[in-house]
Amino acid sequence: EVQLVESGGGLLQPGGSLRLSCVASGFRFNSYAMNWVRQAPGKGLEWISYISSTGSNMRYADSVRGRFTISRDNAKSLLYLQMNSLRAEDMGVYYCAHGWGFDYWGQGTLVTVSS
Amino acid sequence: LVLTQSPLSLPVTLGQPASISCKSSQSILYNDGNTFLNWFQQRPGQSPRRLLYSISDRDSGVPDRFSGSGSGTDFTLKISRVEAEDVGVYYCMQGSHWPPRYIFGQGTKLEIK
Repeated sequence: EVQLVESGGGLLQPGGSLRLSCVASGFRFNSYAMNWVRQAPGKGLEWISYISSTGSNMRYADSVRGRFTISRDNAKSLLYLQMNSLRAEDMGVYYCAHGWGFDYWGQGTLVTVSS
Repeated sequence: LVLTQSPLSLPVTLGQPASISCKSSQSILYNDGNTFLNWFQQRPGQSPRRLLYSISDRDSGVPDRFSGSGSGTDFTLKISRVEAEDVGVYYCMQGSHWPPRYIFGQGTKLEIK
């Protein structure tokens, strides 16, 4: 059974930094690309970042490029999202999603940005 | 690339059909002939769940009352007979695999009348 479990969310002040993690199980992690998707409170879904199976290719939405960095540790089946220079508009639930098809999602981790 | 869903709010009587439209600003057709168009359901308080991929292929465990259709830039999700468990927000999603860039529709909130 595929499982994705995010962690690392919390309350930050604007300008702060945070690293989110997503631990994967139930599939061969190093064979699949992974994504991060976020959802602001009461709003829709926004894709924010992609990483290839090997970690050699990354892509970002315009809203986070230059501030967020996606990475992975295939030996540990871990996906990361390093978030810097956080803004109020970055607040929301962050999900990791499996593969190009987004066929499996984690339960999400909440990031709150407030002074 | 912009995905426009309609309606944004969809009150439906139990047992009645429901239909959600998703219009894309671009036609994305891959070399293998497939169109990348997914539909997701997000029940209240839950993570999104993929229902359909490649326009009309149902994911495992998805009831056959859910169906997808369309081509080019116009797509539709249909529920043949709405049940109480179908309450939630439905999103279409499209994008390019290379370079990877994905976009979701605004979401359609389905509720029971």
